[in-house]
Amino acid sequence: KNEVEQSPQNLTAQEGEFITINCSYSVGISALHWLQQHPGGGIVSLFMLSSGKKKHGRLIATINIQEKHSSLHITASHPRDSAVYICARSYNTDKLIFGTGTRLQVFP
Amino acid sequence: EPEVTQTPSHQVTQMGQEVILRCVPISNHLYFYWYRQILGQKVEFLVSFYNNEISEKSEIFDDQFSVERPDGSNFTLKIRSTKLEDSAMYFCASSAVVLGGYTFGSGTRLTVV
Repeated sequence: KNEVEQSPQNLTAQEGEFITINCSYSVGISALHWLQQHPGGGIVSLFMLSSGKKKHGRLIATINIQEKHSSLHITASHPRDSAVYICARSYNTDKLIFGTGTRLQVFP
Repeated sequence: EPEVTQTPSHQVTQMGQEVILRCVPISNHLYFYWYRQILGQKVEFLVSFYNNEISEKSEIFDDQFSVERPDGSNFTLKIRSTKLEDSAMYFCASSAVVLGGYTFGSGTRLTVV
């Protein structure tokens, strides 16, 4: 049983589209992380949140603790946003439990 | 911006050989981690390290694995006798505080042949 589920697994979009990636988790969290994995494999941390909403540039992350659900939104998507987006949770300890990722391709 | 540096970026080794993967965490970070990602699969936790000792390890992290912070700047993962199934991308990460944000290295791709 995967404790962190993401949808969709794959997503294609046209440049400029608004994108939403969803993450659900089955147990409690201390924090929910959104990360970006580039085609070369490197991982970049985008957000860490435990409540509410965070924004950085064109990226917005929200979390609903009661529903155990988080979303990552990308406004005005661009081909350089193409990557795998991963959510991961931590609970009581600092180890991360990762989801399987959402592969996003944005076409010009 | 401070980075976590991993070397080598790619290592090929024969089955049964020992490998050491090296990481230089961000200098003022206190918490260090190794994760791995087998091709096509999700990233998995291996071990966390704080105050010169392992604070948590996964079932994957058996007696073949060890970690060390030999000199106050490097953080190493050693696999004593590599198996084919150890082939994966290994990521080092560090954090300034527990349950804080992570900075990941760019990974070492280990191929066991």
